Amino acid sequence: DTEVTQTPKHLVMGMTNKKSLKCEQHMGHRAMYWYKQKAKKPPELMFVYSYEKLSINESVPSRFSPECPNSSLLNLHLHALQPEDSALYLCASSQEGRGARQPQHFGDGTRLSIL
Amino acid sequence: DAKTTQPNSMESNEEEPVHLPCNHSTISGTDYIHWYRQLPSQGPEYVIHGLTSNVNNRMASLAIAEDRKSSTLILHRATLRDAAVYYCILRGIIQGAQKLVFGQGTRLTINP
Repeated sequence: DTEVTQTPKHLVMGMTNKKSLKCEQHMGHRAMYWYKQKAKKPPELMFVYSYEKLSINESVPSRFSPECPNSSLLNLHLHALQPEDSALYLCASSQEGRGARQPQHFGDGTRLSIL
Repeated sequence: DAKTTQPNSMESNEEEPVHLPCNHSTISGTDYIHWYRQLPSQGPEYVIHGLTSNVNNRMASLAIAEDRKSSTLILHRATLRDAAVYYCILRGIIQGAQKLVFGQGTRLTINP
């Protein structure tokens, strides 16, 4: 069992749909992350939130919209996605401060398929 | 972003030690070396990290070269549950947040 919970585990959506991925942690971590992982490839960083503020956007297309409503929750809103956006979306969290030496804790991801 | 280079795959036998190498010749003085592993159908899992000195924990040991341009993850006695993709990562800090840039990783197969 992971301490970072992602829902749903699987999602199939059409290119015109709007959906959201959710991530939750209760470890008191103040940094949260979204990664995208294509099959047999390493995870790629998409967004970083630090103290509920967006601190890194790795030039992600605007059809992906992150939101951090509070320190425990992270959402990724999806709209008008393309078939190439099909992937495993991973959420992670970590402590901040203390030199930021603490490891990231990952959820098991949401497997997204775009029809 | 500083990059790491790892062998694509390695194979070992159960109950034997495994040495997983990583090259990071462009490492900066403030980059920490992190290792994560990803088991099938799971998210990555933290294994170990270090800066300059060798490190040990309950999962593994990390040996860091004196010039810090390479490191080796050591699993002392591999089990079948250690079969995974192992990622060597240089961890930077951008705007107060961690940035992990994953390399291609090494797929480790453990033979019974």
